Amino acid sequence: GAVVSQHPSRVICKSGTSVKIECRSLDFQATTMFWYRQFPKQSLMLMATSNEGSKATYEQGVEKDKFLINHASLTLSTLTVTSAHPEDSSFYICSAPRTGSEAFFGQGTRLTVV
Amino acid sequence: GENVEQHPSTLSVQEGDSAVIKCTYSDSASNYFPWYKQELGKRPQLIIDIRSNVGEKKDQRIAVTLNKTAKHFSLHITETQPEDSAVYFCAATLYNQGGKLIFGQGTELSVKP
Repeated sequence: GAVVSQHPSRVICKSGTSVKIECRSLDFQATTMFWYRQFPKQSLMLMATSNEGSKATYEQGVEKDKFLINHASLTLSTLTVTSAHPEDSSFYICSAPRTGSEAFFGQGTRLTVV
Repeated sequence: GENVEQHPSTLSVQEGDSAVIKCTYSDSASNYFPWYKQELGKRPQLIIDIRSNVGEKKDQRIAVTLNKTAKHFSLHITETQPEDSAVYFCAATLYNQGGKLIFGQGTELSVKP
């Protein structure tokens, strides 16, 4: 199956700093990628749709200035959590569809803000 | 927008028994319904999916049924094994939306040996 790689898998940062998470489609081009957030024992919540060459589309309640998304190429989308706070600690996971609707997920990034 | 409700939140069965997880969705335009298995700290794994042009799909011990009129779909796992223990999520989307998935709340399945 298609491969989506996410990096880093784990990151610990200090409160107030920014963290960048990368999502790469390794063997196919993805004009669209999706970013989800998952708190412990909860579901995956769609945060935003990342569109290659244009602005991301954010879901209601997600602060676009806090969660910066850049999709500069057909194989890479990045999510930057700016001025991170402990409440931003979560599991962030990206997905990219290759054909139709089957979503290929990255490995996820466990963010801990201390 | 789409909203997906999933029940039960936890399910405990004896090895060899069947497990059923149910989901309802709100947007009648949704036409693709995947099911994922997620182990702790890992990415979701697609285990089965169904499109709205069929009512049932089966893959070995796993089956999914869809009732478009009632807007609900269910996952059936037969002959459960301890390795089936995980969190299961249903999701709904429009097939041409390329993977923009709205997930249910999840069901923690525990299969006791």
